[in-house]
Formats: sequence, structure tokens, C-alpha cells
Amino acid sequence: GAGVSQTPSNKVTEKGKYVELRCDPISGHTALYWYRQSLGQGPEFLIYFQGTGAADDSGLPNDRFFAVRPEGSVSTLKIQRTERGDSAVYLCASSSGVSNEQFFGPGTRLTVL
Amino acid sequence: DQQVKQNSPSLSVQEGRISILNCDYTNSMFDYFLWYKKYPAEGPTFLISISSIKDKNEDGRFTVFLNKSAKHLSLHIVPSQPGDSAVYFCAASDNAGNMLTFGGGTRLMVKP
Repeated sequence: GAGVSQTPSNKVTEKGKYVELRCDPISGHTALYWYRQSLGQGPEFLIYFQGTGAADDSGLPNDRFFAVRPEGSVSTLKIQRTERGDSAVYLCASSSGVSNEQFFGPGTRLTVL
Repeated sequence: DQQVKQNSPSLSVQEGRISILNCDYTNSMFDYFLWYKKYPAEGPTFLISISSIKDKNEDGRFTVFLNKSAKHLSLHIVPSQPGDSAVYFCAASDNAGNMLTFGGGTRLMVKP
């Protein structure tokens, strides 16, 4: 079966622009997670959805970051007024919700010039 | 404050020998631990996990050991193969379905 997919794989934007990153989880997975990985570091948690609602958004760094999952499947991470420090690989993961194993997508590499 | 730490940024091992990757944590609320493997330009791939009610879990060449009193876990790979060369991340969770807290990773290089 299909794994977690993320689009685009790479995104280059200019400082101050708005970007959207998309995640398609594994079919039937109720839980969806966004992480951010900077160079040389481990992934850092951003936000977690259970179904359509954000169960935990404590990892979002500031109010420029927002994520939605309107139908409980696909999720979009939205970043307003991008800054150079937002450059990182944005990873999406999904799980069945009752298991601790999270299955990751390939990530979107965001570069803010 | 890093709650999960991997103090060795890199490890080099000869093919056929044992690789031991270590991980320490500080949060006593963590009750589930996972190891992920990551190749360049790919997302992390789940390897093996262990619940805090166990001290060992084995899956083929991979074994994870948990020492709760020391807040330490390790991943043993034996025998190591060149295809095992990747970055390995330790991760922890305090409840099923909750966020994972990752360590900084250890780059394993297995030499033929």
C-alpha cells in the first residue's frame, strides 16, 4: 500500500512570502503529525491531529505557522511571512492512533532566500 | 533542554561486527521508545520499539535494550552490514499516539 506522501519535495521561496506544504497520510490513519528537522538535528514536533482537530499544537514556533486537516485525511501546513530561519525539512507522519509507531513521509525541503 | 540525547554523533564499524548505538533520556514520563533509521533525502523509517514494561526487544539483527533506572537505551545491530549505514534516531513518547521527542541522531558507517 501507499505510504505517507508529501508535496512538494522541494520549495524555494523568498523571505516574506507565504507557503503551503501538503501531506497525504496512510489511508485509514487517524493521527497525523508535523515535524521540522534542521540540519544536523533530530526532528522537532510541531503539531498533531487526531481526526480533524489539532490535539496538540504546542510545537508551533509562532503564529506564522498554522496547519489544517479539514476532512481528517490530507493536511496542509501553512507558513506566513517566511523567514530565513524557517528553512528546514518539514516531515509529516501518520499513525493508527493506538500504536506508537509513526510512519514518515519523505519530507519537504523548504529554503527561504 | 534536550529530553532525549544521543551523545555520539557518529560511529564507524567493520562489516560483520556489532554496532551499538546509545541514547539517554531525562523525562521519567516517557514510557515508549523507538529507533528510526534515515537515509539521505528520505523520511525516517521505523526500526524497532520497546515499551517501558520490558527491558529487551529483539527483531532479527536488531535488539533494543532499556535500562529504566539509568534512563538509557541502546540499539544493537549484529552482524552489521554496509546497507545499515545511515543516521539512527532514538525517539520517546509519554503516551500512545502522542508526539515523539527525538535525539539528535548518530551516523553509523559500516565499512566493508
